Amino acid sequence: GAGVSQSPRYKVAKRGQDVALRCDPISGHVSLFWYQQALGQGPEFLTYFQNEAQLDKSGLPSDRFFAERPEGSVSTLKIQRTQQEDSAVYLCASSSTLPGLNRSYEQYFGPGTRLTVT
Amino acid sequence: GNSVTQMEGPVTLSEEAFLTINCTYTATGYPSLFWYVQYPGEGLQLLLKATKADDKGSNKGFEATYRKETTSFHLEKGSVQVSDSAVYFCALRPYTGANSKLTFGKGITLSVRP
Repeated sequence: GAGVSQSPRYKVAKRGQDVALRCDPISGHVSLFWYQQALGQGPEFLTYFQNEAQLDKSGLPSDRFFAERPEGSVSTLKIQRTQQEDSAVYLCASSSTLPGLNRSYEQYFGPGTRLTVT
Repeated sequence: GNSVTQMEGPVTLSEEAFLTINCTYTATGYPSLFWYVQYPGEGLQLLLKATKADDKGSNKGFEATYRKETTSFHLEKGSVQVSDSAVYFCALRPYTGANSKLTFGKGITLSVRP
């Protein structure tokens, strides 16, 4: 499997529970992005990693959201004390730092984790 | 800030009909523009892209031209198929670089009936 994988694909959490969402990027991809997609909306940027360094976390909606990528490959997005407004699909995307044929640094998306907070 | 506006949906067409999905953007400088597609049960896939003004991106019979004068990137297809039924997102990246994040429109659902 050469694509981006995410687990779990579906997660139901009770309000107040903590959740952890995993992303396995394409092997060798240095850049990793997390996006949040609310129902009926487009994805919105949450945070960006280059290797293990979190270089941009401007999109994280609150301090309940935390992301890490300790070894520069797998990343985990953690949401503490989940609220109903956290219900969304969480998308992970990875890209190489080497430009593609068209120098586009294309982002490849995983299938997402659908989080439902009840 | 950067933003992308897509026409309201959903859109329902008969097979072989002509498709236009409007997209306009707001950005400083010279963003790259993209159309992504999300088929039922699948992840986002890049459909086509354009990186500078007057570029035309094309793939699978879909086309879009980067129009800087009208800040638009409308998606067109001459003859849609049932298999084109999906959600389509217009997006921009403010610059070309590994750390350049995408800004998406709300998406529009296309349903094509036989």
